[in-house]
Amino acid sequence: DVKVTQSSRYLVKRTGEKVFLECVQDMDHENMFWYRQDPGLGLRLIYFSYDVKMKEKGDIPEGYSVSREKKERFSLILESASTNQTSMYLCASSLNRGRWYGYTFGSGTRLTVV
Amino acid sequence: DAKTTQPPSMDCAEGRAANLPCNHSTISGNEYVYWYRQIHSQGPQYIIHGLKNNETNEMASLIITEDRKSSTLILPHATLRDTAVYYCIPRDAGGTSYGKLTFGQGTILTVHP
Repeated sequence: DVKVTQSSRYLVKRTGEKVFLECVQDMDHENMFWYRQDPGLGLRLIYFSYDVKMKEKGDIPEGYSVSREKKERFSLILESASTNQTSMYLCASSLNRGRWYGYTFGSGTRLTVV
Repeated sequence: DAKTTQPPSMDCAEGRAANLPCNHSTISGNEYVYWYRQIHSQGPQYIIHGLKNNETNEMASLIITEDRKSSTLILPHATLRDTAVYYCIPRDAGGTSYGKLTFGQGTILTVHP
């Protein structure tokens, strides 16, 4: 069964810490995405990547960066965590933009910044 | 991207068909209509998609009006496990969108025993 795996289900970090959220997919997908989900605001796209070492800003990139050194792995980095980054973070992957396939999502990481 | 309008919530009795509407009157000719759902505390799950023809798979049926301004997702025999938030999402099939999906608020479907 194809999978998108997020390294942690729950995470608690302190304000100012550097935080890494890891996402790995085993489907050889070109595209990978990071979303955050907050009550009343729905899912919002933070960053996405369509190839190794490539990245594009989504709708809310401020305070985040990403890294994609290998095709299967897409990392979201909070350089200096703040309480307003407390949220559910969801990673997804899909095949190349030239063909349609749906997204496959991970189960999410619930991050709390205290 | 086209804007969508979905009812905030709907109820359905277990075993009955659930019909979830979506209005996407500004959809462009090359935008597909995708449906996803999100069960509580899980990531969204793909259900079905279509361009202009009706579609059916093992999970659901998708009816798209001839003018493509609206669609209806049909769960033919809803179960308690179908309780979820359902998202209708127009998406450009090509171009430079890289397959980005923009999620709205969706419809909370509650299936009752």
